[in-house]
Amino acid sequence: NFMLTQPHSVSASPGKTVTISCTRSSGTIASKYVHWYRQRPGSVPTIVISEDDQRPSAVPDRFSGSIDTSSNSAFLTISGLKTEDESDYYCQSFDSSTNHVIFGGGTKLTVL
Amino acid sequence: QVQLVESGGGVVQAGKSLRLSCAASGFTFSSYGLHWVRQAPGKGLEWVALIWYDGSNEYYGDSVKGRFTISRDNSKNTLYLQMSSLRVDDTAVYYCARRGSASYFDLWGRGTLVSVSS
Repeated sequence: NFMLTQPHSVSASPGKTVTISCTRSSGTIASKYVHWYRQRPGSVPTIVISEDDQRPSAVPDRFSGSIDTSSNSAFLTISGLKTEDESDYYCQSFDSSTNHVIFGGGTKLTVL
Repeated sequence: QVQLVESGGGVVQAGKSLRLSCAASGFTFSSYGLHWVRQAPGKGLEWVALIWYDGSNEYYGDSVKGRFTISRDNSKNTLYLQMSSLRVDDTAVYYCARRGSASYFDLWGRGTLVSVSS
């Protein structure tokens, strides 16, 4: 299986923009969709970006997703940060050679 | 109401077995592939197992393969995870999750806590 590597933590001030990376260790990032979940403490994960860059209707347009083949990475960008955005964020993809779901290790976002 | 509700968690000694259940309601259970995902205390999400919509195929994470078995009963709208030879590092909240048409997990249960003691 490939791995998805995320920074352990990121921080930024309210109103600023933060980007969380998710780097695929082998194979091409564009070969399988990357999805992003938010998990607040004590809560269940919820989707914030699906299929690389699709934002569900319930998610604010401050959230966006992208992929970059040169760095073999996916990115979650949150603009106009609010304190309520503080959460753990996980990227997820699928290894079609093994039929295994792959999660990144998660990134703790602090808004301070 | 569209939901998944896990049950069966608890405290168990290392080496023993435990079976988790996940009861589904509000959607056509037999149309969806289903997964178990776990989260150890203070740790990240770890995928455990997948079963196809009709139960014809199963796949397991490396850490549980050969010890855990995923199954489903489409007549009872219920997903199962039979866990054997439990280890202390299997301690986690276990979630069942539905893989939606857009390939991401679009529905999660609230989770059930499994604690394995030595």
